[in-house]
Amino acid sequence: KQEVTQIPAALSVPEGENLVLNCSFTDSAIYNLQWFRQDPGKGLTSLLLIQSSQREQTSGRLNASLDKSSGRSTLYIAASQPGDSATYLCAVRTAGGTSYGKLTFGQGTILTVHP
Amino acid sequence: GAVVSQHPSRVICKSGTSVKIECRSLDFQATTMFWYRQFPKKSLMLMATSNEGSKATYEQGVEKDKFLINHASLTLSTLTVTSAHPEDSSFYICSAIRGATDSNQPQHFGDGTRLSIL
Repeated sequence: KQEVTQIPAALSVPEGENLVLNCSFTDSAIYNLQWFRQDPGKGLTSLLLIQSSQREQTSGRLNASLDKSSGRSTLYIAASQPGDSATYLCAVRTAGGTSYGKLTFGQGTILTVHP
Repeated sequence: GAVVSQHPSRVICKSGTSVKIECRSLDFQATTMFWYRQFPKKSLMLMATSNEGSKATYEQGVEKDKFLINHASLTLSTLTVTSAHPEDSSFYICSAIRGATDSNQPQHFGDGTRLSIL
């Protein structure tokens, strides 16, 4: 059974700092890994999707890496801003259920960026 | 912009009421949609996979008679919480993948429905 763990559970940083969020998963046989952002009381916004054959993806100030063999991914946020404050969720897709496989989520990292 | 629309965003009702939540894919056809439940400060738990034109696939421990799913068209899936009780209060989120059977596409989520049963 796939298990996804995110560290730290919460992070508070001053504006402008670069930061790293960590995600680990137990079953390395994944299709892909997706990072999401969730604002309070809202749904999920997809940030980055890394296929199992890829090592990293970049979008603006966000960079996500994937080391499938060791079961790890990191989300790097450069020059953090107060608007980055949210919960960040990591999810991996593995075989099972439908032809799409199944998405398993971590518990999330609550990020607070203070001015 | 949003590619998955969920309605309503919030429901408050009395115990015993049945509540229907709609999930629509806005600019693509989704043969498969997913329904999740999220408890406060917890991650998302997959409840069921909704398949257009056939029965939904429920995760272990999810009561199919309590949570009725209907995927009547390629752009609409509904979740009905039947005879809802306070323990059914939660945040429900739907999701869909653009594309037919490609597991390498990103999964898009609706904005969720906050259900409060009094």
